[in-house]
Amino acid sequence: EAQVTQNPRYLITVTGKKLTVTCSQNMNHEYMSWYRQDPGLGLRQIYYSMNVEVTDKGDVPEGYKVSRKEKRNFPLILESPSPNQTSLYFCASSPTSFSSYNEQFFGPGTRLTVL
Amino acid sequence: DQQVKQNSPSLSVQEGRISILNCDYTNSMFDYFLWYKKYPAEGPTFLISISSIKDKNEDGRFTVFLNKSAKHLSLHIVPSQPGDSAVYFCAASAGGYQKVTFGTGTKLQVIP
Repeated sequence: EAQVTQNPRYLITVTGKKLTVTCSQNMNHEYMSWYRQDPGLGLRQIYYSMNVEVTDKGDVPEGYKVSRKEKRNFPLILESPSPNQTSLYFCASSPTSFSSYNEQFFGPGTRLTVL
Repeated sequence: DQQVKQNSPSLSVQEGRISILNCDYTNSMFDYFLWYKKYPAEGPTFLISISSIKDKNEDGRFTVFLNKSAKHLSLHIVPSQPGDSAVYFCAASAGGYQKVTFGTGTKLQVIP
């Protein structure tokens, strides 16, 4: 089954404790991205990656890191989480196309709480 | 700076009637627009899209209209069904680049 998987689905942590949220896709997609969803703010893009070893900042990259060492994986790293990073996080992927077909396939989400 | 705005946080519609969800944007460089639907506890799923070279795109019960001069797009659902109850996000991108800007979402409730 074609899908985007995220782990963990739920996480409660404390301020300053480094954490990683994993994202993996099995569709051989080149493009991957991370979003956070907050009430009243919708979905905001954190980072995206056009291909292996190619990453770029989205609209809200502060406090996050990413890496793309393999095509299928795109982990999101919070080196020193803070309470304002409490949010619902989504990973997404899509085939790269400069014909503007930017349909993305989303994972199920990771609910993160930072105390 | 919210470049994509959905000014109605929620909308209630009777089953069988038309649902109209609206989206406004400010960036004139946007040339591709998408609508996603999101159910609780799930990730968003793609619904329908439209390129700026068109003013209408239809897929079954779903139609998206684009008014470039007004920087406005709308999603029409006819007829509305209870299973359409979800949060709808509009999204926009510019020039085929993969940075996508989403709106804040509109929660649609279709009443049986």
